[in-house]
Amino acid sequence: DIQMTQSPSSLSASVGDRVAITCRASQNIITFLNWYQQKPGRAPKLLIYGASSLQSGVPSRFSGGGSGTDFTLTINSLQPEDFATYYCQQSYTVPTFGRGTKLEIK
Amino acid sequence: EVQLVEFGGGLVQPGGSLRLSCATSGFTLTNHGMSWVRQAPGKGLEWVSTISDKIYYADSVRGRFTISRDTSKNTLFLQMNSLRAEDTAVYYCAKYQSALTSIFDYWGQGTLVTVSS
Repeated sequence: DIQMTQSPSSLSASVGDRVAITCRASQNIITFLNWYQQKPGRAPKLLIYGASSLQSGVPSRFSGGGSGTDFTLTINSLQPEDFATYYCQQSYTVPTFGRGTKLEIK
Repeated sequence: EVQLVEFGGGLVQPGGSLRLSCATSGFTLTNHGMSWVRQAPGKGLEWVSTISDKIYYADSVRGRFTISRDTSKNTLFLQMNSLRAEDTAVYYCAKYQSALTSIFDYWGQGTLVTVSS
């Protein structure tokens, strides 16, 4: 199975900040990389698919990039509702998820 | 509007069985792959099984869990046998964005399975 390594595992930031979360795949997955947001007690929500395509209804302050093995989720101008846990997931083979990045208010 | 609603979770003893259901609406079940994804308490997301052109299982559940779907009832199932404590989790059903690529664009609310004596 393809292993997905996210970093950092946790991150503190303030409203208005720009943050970046990285995800590394154990082998080349081209751009078969998706990002999800999960809030406590809620199901995950798709943010970005195909490494850089914004899911319908997701604010444009979220963006994704990368290809091959290294990927990044960037959130510009953090809003209070963005504090959550973020997961990457590869869709190149049977799906695997990163271990998550918890974004907390500083 | 796409909706996914899971049923069937609960408390079961180790070695027992449970059948989860996911009632779907707003799309054609046969046109989209479907998966079960679980999340143990306080842990991350773990893919469990997929039904699309083929059926796939995680190593941790292969031989114990069976995924199926009833297209006449627009329902996805997960039959779980020989349950272990480590199967304790919230189980989500999730819809593929397309037929074959595992981009999960809709999720159910989840159903909690607790395996304990």
